[in-house]
Amino acid sequence: ETGVTQSPTHLIKTRGQQVTLRCSSQSGHNTVSWYQQALGQGPQFIFQYYREEENGRGNFPPRFSGLQFPNYSSELNVNALELDDSALYLCASSSPRTGWSSPLHFGNGTRLTVT
Amino acid sequence: DAKTTQPPSMDCAEGRAANLPCNHSTISGNEYVYWYRQIHSQGPQYIIHGLKNNETNEMASLIITEDRKSSTLILPHATLRDTAVYYCIVRGDTGTASKLTFGTGTRLQVTL
Repeated sequence: ETGVTQSPTHLIKTRGQQVTLRCSSQSGHNTVSWYQQALGQGPQFIFQYYREEENGRGNFPPRFSGLQFPNYSSELNVNALELDDSALYLCASSSPRTGWSSPLHFGNGTRLTVT
Repeated sequence: DAKTTQPPSMDCAEGRAANLPCNHSTISGNEYVYWYRQIHSQGPQYIIHGLKNNETNEMASLIITEDRKSSTLILPHATLRDTAVYYCIVRGDTGTASKLTFGTGTRLQVTL
Protein backbone atom coordinates (compact mmCIF):
# COMPACT_ATOMS: atom_id res chain seq x y z
CA GLU A 1 0.00 0.00 0.00
CA THR A 2 1.50 3.33 -1.08
CA GLY A 3 1.28 6.16 1.41
CA VAL A 4 0.72 9.86 0.76
CA THR A 5 3.52 11.36 -1.30
CA GLN A 6 4.26 15.05 -1.80
CA SER A 7 6.51 16.96 -4.15
CA PRO A 8 8.77 18.80 -4.07
CA THR A 9 10.22 18.28 -0.59
CA HIS A 10 11.72 21.76 -0.44
CA LEU A 11 11.09 24.95 -2.39
CA ILE A 12 12.36 28.52 -2.25
CA LYS A 13 10.30 31.32 -3.80
CA THR A 14 10.39 35.10 -3.84
CA ARG A 15 7.66 37.30 -2.41
CA GLY A 16 4.94 37.95 -4.99
CA GLN A 17 5.56 34.75 -6.93
CA GLN A 18 3.17 31.83 -7.33
CA VAL A 19 3.77 28.23 -6.26
CA THR A 20 2.20 24.83 -6.96
CA LEU A 21 2.60 21.91 -4.58
CA ARG A 22 1.60 18.36 -5.47
CA CYS A 23 0.18 15.42 -3.58
CA SER A 24 -0.64 11.81 -4.41
CA SER A 25 -3.14 10.34 -2.02
CA GLN A 26 -2.89 6.95 -0.39
CA SER A 27 -4.25 4.13 -2.52
CA GLY A 28 -8.03 3.93 -2.29
CA HIS A 29 -8.42 7.32 -0.57
CA ASN A 30 -10.76 9.72 -2.33
CA THR A 31 -10.62 12.74 -0.02
CA VAL A 32 -7.61 15.04 0.15
CA SER A 33 -6.93 17.92 2.51
CA TRP A 34 -4.14 20.44 2.88
CA TYR A 35 -2.60 21.89 6.03
CA GLN A 36 -0.12 24.66 6.74
CA GLN A 37 2.32 24.27 9.62
CA ALA A 38 4.34 27.29 10.68
CA LEU A 39 7.50 26.73 12.68
CA GLY A 40 6.77 25.69 16.26
CA GLN A 41 3.02 25.40 15.74
CA GLY A 42 0.53 22.65 15.01
CA PRO A 43 -0.82 22.17 11.49
CA GLN A 44 -3.73 24.39 10.41
CA PHE A 45 -6.45 23.20 8.04
CA ILE A 46 -6.52 24.98 4.69
CA PHE A 47 -9.17 23.07 2.72
CA GLN A 48 -10.52 19.69 1.71
CA TYR A 49 -11.31 18.22 -1.72
CA TYR A 50 -13.78 15.47 -2.46
CA ARG A 51 -14.99 14.44 -5.92
CA GLU A 52 -12.79 17.14 -7.45
CA GLU A 53 -14.52 19.94 -5.58
CA GLU A 54 -13.57 21.99 -2.55
CA ASN A 55 -16.07 21.19 0.18
CA GLY A 56 -14.56 22.68 3.32
CA ARG A 57 -12.18 25.53 3.99
CA GLY A 58 -10.30 26.94 6.93
CA ASN A 59 -9.40 30.55 7.60
CA PHE A 60 -7.21 31.11 4.55
CA PRO A 61 -7.58 33.79 1.85
CA PRO A 62 -8.66 33.03 -1.75
CA ARG A 63 -5.07 33.22 -3.00
CA PHE A 64 -4.81 29.71 -1.56
CA SER A 65 -6.55 27.44 -4.08
CA GLY A 66 -6.47 23.82 -5.05
CA LEU A 67 -7.40 21.12 -7.49
CA GLN A 68 -8.24 17.45 -7.23
CA PHE A 69 -7.87 15.18 -10.22
CA PRO A 70 -9.88 12.08 -11.21
CA ASN A 71 -7.14 9.85 -9.79
CA TYR A 72 -7.63 11.69 -6.44
CA SER A 73 -4.22 13.39 -6.60
CA SER A 74 -4.22 17.07 -5.71
CA GLU A 75 -2.47 20.39 -6.09
CA LEU A 76 -2.20 23.36 -3.77
CA ASN A 77 -1.63 26.72 -5.46
CA VAL A 78 -0.62 29.85 -3.62
CA ASN A 79 -0.59 33.18 -5.47
CA ALA A 80 1.11 36.43 -4.52
CA LEU A 81 3.38 34.78 -1.98
CA GLU A 82 4.02 36.59 1.28
CA LEU A 83 6.85 36.09 3.74
CA ASP A 84 4.37 34.61 6.25
CA ASP A 85 3.56 31.83 3.79
CA SER A 86 6.87 30.23 4.69
CA ALA A 87 5.84 26.96 6.29
CA LEU A 88 5.59 23.20 5.97
CA TYR A 89 2.63 22.31 3.75
CA LEU A 90 1.07 18.97 4.50
CA CYS A 91 -1.28 16.88 2.43
CA ALA A 92 -3.55 14.28 4.02
CA SER A 93 -5.87 11.69 2.53
CA SER A 94 -8.71 9.65 3.90
CA SER A 95 -11.44 7.35 2.76
CA PRO A 96 -14.82 8.49 4.07
CA ARG A 97 -16.27 5.37 2.47
CA THR A 98 -15.46 3.83 5.83
CA GLY A 99 -17.21 6.65 7.67
CA TRP A 100 -16.47 10.27 8.51
CA SER A 101 -14.34 9.19 11.47
CA SER A 102 -11.77 7.29 9.37
CA PRO A 103 -8.26 8.52 10.18
CA LEU A 104 -6.35 10.96 8.00
CA HIS A 105 -2.97 9.87 6.73
CA PHE A 106 -0.39 12.57 6.12
CA GLY A 107 2.52 12.96 3.76
CA ASN A 108 5.87 14.33 4.91
CA GLY A 109 5.16 17.74 3.47
CA THR A 110 6.76 20.41 1.32
CA ARG A 111 8.94 22.96 3.09
CA LEU A 112 8.28 26.34 1.42
CA THR A 113 10.57 29.27 2.08
CA VAL A 114 9.54 32.70 0.82
CA THR A 115 12.29 35.32 0.66
CA ASP B 1 -14.70 20.56 17.88
CA ALA B 2 -13.86 20.57 21.55
CA LYS B 3 -10.62 22.13 22.76
CA THR B 4 -7.88 19.94 24.24
CA THR B 5 -5.22 20.70 26.86
CA GLN B 6 -1.89 18.86 27.02
CA PRO B 7 1.30 19.40 29.00
CA PRO B 8 3.91 21.09 26.80
CA SER B 9 6.62 18.53 27.49
CA MET B 10 7.36 15.20 29.17
CA ASP B 11 10.37 12.94 29.64
CA CYS B 12 10.43 9.16 29.69
CA ALA B 13 13.22 6.64 30.16
CA GLU B 14 13.70 4.16 27.35
CA GLY B 15 11.91 0.87 28.05
CA ARG B 16 9.45 2.43 30.46
CA ALA B 17 5.82 3.20 29.72
CA ALA B 18 5.06 6.72 28.52
CA ASN B 19 1.69 8.02 29.71
CA LEU B 20 0.57 11.16 27.90
CA PRO B 21 -2.48 12.92 29.35
CA CYS B 22 -5.05 15.02 27.55
CA ASN B 23 -7.92 17.05 28.92
CA HIS B 24 -11.03 17.56 26.77
CA SER B 25 -13.66 18.58 29.28
CA THR B 26 -16.06 20.06 26.69
CA ILE B 27 -16.19 16.98 24.46
CA SER B 28 -19.59 16.14 22.98
CA GLY B 29 -21.19 12.72 22.86
CA ASN B 30 -20.40 11.98 19.22
CA GLU B 31 -16.85 13.36 19.18
CA TYR B 32 -13.90 11.03 18.93
CA VAL B 33 -10.48 11.42 20.56
CA TYR B 34 -7.56 11.02 18.14
CA TRP B 35 -3.85 10.86 18.77
CA TYR B 36 -1.21 11.75 16.23
CA ARG B 37 2.51 12.21 16.61
CA GLN B 38 5.01 14.17 14.59
CA ILE B 39 8.63 13.26 14.46
CA HIS B 40 10.95 16.09 13.47
CA SER B 41 10.70 17.04 9.78
CA GLN B 42 8.00 14.46 9.05
CA GLY B 43 4.24 14.64 8.65
CA PRO B 44 1.87 13.74 11.50
CA GLN B 45 1.50 10.00 11.99
CA TYR B 46 -1.85 8.53 13.06
CA ILE B 47 -1.59 6.51 16.27
CA ILE B 48 -5.05 5.60 17.55
CA HIS B 49 -8.56 6.91 18.11
CA GLY B 50 -11.57 6.09 20.25
CA LEU B 51 -15.05 7.20 21.21
CA LYS B 52 -15.66 5.93 24.73
CA ASN B 53 -14.16 2.46 25.06
CA ASN B 54 -10.48 1.88 25.68
CA GLU B 55 -8.60 1.00 22.51
CA THR B 56 -5.35 -0.82 21.81
CA ASN B 57 -3.35 -1.37 18.66
CA GLU B 58 0.20 -2.32 17.79
CA MET B 59 1.47 1.15 18.58
CA ALA B 60 -0.32 2.23 21.74
CA SER B 61 -3.28 2.07 24.09
CA LEU B 62 -5.89 4.77 24.58
CA ILE B 63 -7.63 5.05 27.94
CA ILE B 64 -10.70 7.33 28.02
CA THR B 65 -12.26 8.18 31.37
CA GLU B 66 -15.87 7.21 31.94
CA ASP B 67 -17.03 10.84 31.78
CA ARG B 68 -14.94 11.26 28.59
CA LYS B 69 -13.45 14.52 29.86
CA SER B 70 -9.90 13.24 29.68
CA SER B 71 -7.80 10.51 28.12
CA THR B 72 -4.33 9.01 28.32
CA LEU B 73 -2.18 7.68 25.52
CA ILE B 74 0.09 4.88 26.68
CA LEU B 75 3.22 3.80 24.84
CA PRO B 76 3.98 0.60 26.75
CA HIS B 77 7.74 0.38 26.14
CA ALA B 78 9.07 3.70 24.90
CA THR B 79 12.10 3.74 22.62
CA LEU B 80 14.29 6.61 21.41
CA ARG B 81 12.32 6.54 18.13
CA ASP B 82 9.18 7.53 20.06
CA THR B 83 10.68 10.99 20.70
CA ALA B 84 8.17 13.29 18.99
CA VAL B 85 5.42 15.85 19.48
CA TYR B 86 2.16 14.10 20.39
CA TYR B 87 -1.14 15.73 19.51
CA CYS B 88 -4.47 14.92 21.15
CA ILE B 89 -7.37 15.98 18.91
CA VAL B 90 -11.11 15.90 19.38
CA ARG B 91 -12.99 15.38 16.14
CA GLY B 92 -16.70 15.51 15.46
CA ASP B 93 -18.94 15.15 12.44
CA THR B 94 -18.87 18.80 11.35
CA GLY B 95 -19.47 18.12 7.67
CA THR B 96 -15.81 18.75 6.88
CA ALA B 97 -14.44 15.31 7.53
CA SER B 98 -10.79 16.21 7.03
CA LYS B 99 -10.65 19.15 9.39
CA LEU B 100 -8.51 18.34 12.41
CA THR B 101 -7.82 21.07 14.94
CA PHE B 102 -4.27 20.65 16.21
CA GLY B 103 -3.05 22.34 19.37
CA THR B 104 0.60 22.66 20.33
CA GLY B 105 0.86 19.08 21.61
CA THR B 106 3.20 17.43 24.10
CA ARG B 107 6.86 17.13 23.26
CA LEU B 108 7.93 13.68 24.52
CA GLN B 109 11.65 13.16 25.02
CA VAL B 110 12.71 9.54 25.48
CA THR B 111 16.14 9.21 27.09
CA LEU B 112 18.60 6.40 27.74
